[in-house]
Amino acid sequence: DSGVTQTPKHLITATGQRVTLRCSPRSGDLSVYWYQQSLDQGLQFLIQYYNGEERAKGNILERFSAQQFPDLHSELNLSSLELGDSALYFCASSPSRKDVTDTQYFGPGTRLTVL
Amino acid sequence: AQKVTQAQTEISVVEKEDVTLDCVYETRDTTYYLFWYKQPPSGELVFLIRRNSFDEQNEISGRYSWNFQKSTSSFNFTITASQVVDSAVYFCALSRTQGGSEKLVFGKGTKLTVNP
Repeated sequence: DSGVTQTPKHLITATGQRVTLRCSPRSGDLSVYWYQQSLDQGLQFLIQYYNGEERAKGNILERFSAQQFPDLHSELNLSSLELGDSALYFCASSPSRKDVTDTQYFGPGTRLTVL
Repeated sequence: AQKVTQAQTEISVVEKEDVTLDCVYETRDTTYYLFWYKQPPSGELVFLIRRNSFDEQNEISGRYSWNFQKSTSSFNFTITASQVVDSAVYFCALSRTQGGSEKLVFGKGTKLTVNP
């Protein structure tokens, strides 16, 4: 158990809908990262938040957005869903200490199926 | 740009065989970190090892060992006396710290099947 929690484990929805994925980082970790794992693209970085502020953006679609709340949990919002958005979405967290690249510990993932 | 190549898509071995998973990376940074993660059939990503670019010492942890060679930009992973429980997809990843961003760039993964 990495200490990172994600809910829900599975999500089935229809095209055009909007969903919210939730992540709670390990105790003490200030950074939250979101990754998407799909068969064709592999594991891809989407976005990083550090202590409530966006720190880095990867290949995140404009239809997707995220935020990190004062209690450091994060939510990833996916809207106008398309079939191609079906994937496993991982959240990871790390302490993000200054001048150190910390290990990212991953949650169990949320499997999103868009029908 | 950073890139990680895991040329072996799938490997199948029989229990107790040794197996090496290859990882080749590309980066222009002088300071970087390399990682290996394991993804068992249950789907979670499990951290195995983190290595920084200044530490070229090989590491051994039980049946697992890692060989980091900067000269060939490789960070290979060997499982000695493989077991059925080692069956999983293994990912090699590369990270840089740029302005506090530590995004991981992953390889495509190697699926290891250990048969009894």
